[in-house]
Amino acid sequence: QVQLVESGGGVVQPGGSLRLSCAASGFNFSTYGMHWVRQAPGKGLEWVAIIWSDGSKKYYADSVKGRFTISRDNSKNTLHVQMSSLKAEDTAVYYCAIGGSSLDHWGQGTLVSVSS
Amino acid sequence: SYVLTQSPSVSVAPGQTARISCGGDNIGDKGVNWYQQKPGQAPFLVVYDDEFRPSGIPERFSGANSGDTATLTISGVEAGDEADYYCQVWDIRSGHWVFGGGTKVTVL
Repeated sequence: QVQLVESGGGVVQPGGSLRLSCAASGFNFSTYGMHWVRQAPGKGLEWVAIIWSDGSKKYYADSVKGRFTISRDNSKNTLHVQMSSLKAEDTAVYYCAIGGSSLDHWGQGTLVSVSS
Repeated sequence: SYVLTQSPSVSVAPGQTARISCGGDNIGDKGVNWYQQKPGQAPFLVVYDDEFRPSGIPERFSGANSGDTATLTISGVEAGDEADYYCQVWDIRSGHWVFGGGTKVTVL
């Protein structure tokens, strides 16, 4: 069955960097677009970024553009997001999800806390 | 950027019908997806492309989309349907995926 497992979350100081990973299994990873979505504590869902199946296209939310970089390694069935210049408002649970126009399957998320 | 507007909350008695609206400029021209999220859990897809249900989603969940409003309808509401529901579209023009603010459904 489809499985997505996020990792790499933790506590980081403002201005710091963090790299999240999402290990995928149970489907043909290299044929699907992949998203990152986040949810601040007690708040709604916020789309972060998408990468095309072959990595040829990447789109970002305005709130993270220039600071976050989405990437994937199809040989290892792994999705990443490199986050830099982190701010307090980036504190959230970060989910990876499979999909194109809809987000068909989601991981359980990893918590990122930006605090001094 | 494209904005989706949802009512913050809906309350419904067991067995009744819950209607959750999602407003957006000419949203009827876009494909709308709906997600359910229970406390402490990841979201999951309950309706995609306006009206289609993924495998395993009960027929009680249905969707419609026209004009400036999309609607998720839950018929015969059960206690287990109590959750937050989010609408979402792909705004092709900006290349952004957009979520509504979410609607909390409370089963009385």
